[in-house]
Amino acid sequence: EVQLLDSGGGLVQPGGSLRLSCAASGFTFSNYAMGWVRQAPGKGLEWVSTISGSDTYYADSVKGRFTISRDNSKNTLYLQMNSLRADDTAVYYCAKYVMRYFDYWGQGTLVTVSS
Amino acid sequence: QSALTQPASVSGSPGQSITISCTGTSSDVGGSNYVSWYQQHPGKAPKVMIYDVSNRPSGVSNRFSGSKSGNTASLTISGLQADDEADYYCSSDSRTNIRVFGGGTKLTVL
Repeated sequence: EVQLLDSGGGLVQPGGSLRLSCAASGFTFSNYAMGWVRQAPGKGLEWVSTISGSDTYYADSVKGRFTISRDNSKNTLYLQMNSLRADDTAVYYCAKYVMRYFDYWGQGTLVTVSS
Repeated sequence: QSALTQPASVSGSPGQSITISCTGTSSDVGGSNYVSWYQQHPGKAPKVMIYDVSNRPSGVSNRFSGSKSGNTASLTISGLQADDEADYYCSSDSRTNIRVFGGGTKLTVL
């Protein structure tokens, strides 16, 4: 059974940093692209980033501030978030990416940027 | 990376059919074979219902179907059931390896 366990969310001040993690199990992690999607409170879904092999892709809203990475030996996906702003407040979901869609999603982790 | 346009809400009675539209441009929906649809119940993670415009993942009811014409994709749910009440999001490629979501549609089953 595919499982994605998001963690690392919390309260951070504007300008601060946070690293999210996503522990994967139930599939051969290294064989698949992965991504992050976020959802601000009461709002819709927003694609954040995708990693495929060593190639990385970012939404314009986070480019230069967020870095996606993975450790295939630990079956873990990461999202390093720097220079956080109030509008980065959201639930962040990691998701398995296959053939241009997300087929499995984590439960989400809440990031709150506030002073 | 502008969001795709969806109606804010749609409604239908049990047993009826509804269609949710998703309008983009020739740079995303119109030029992509990779449109997907997600269902999200309150407080839950999204679940893929349709991928590659019209394909259903294993385990998704055949009451859900997808199509595309020009710059507009559509999700049709037939034989509405109470559990179909949820938010629905479309998604498409917008330039290679860049994805965009629609603003979401709240489906109410009357």
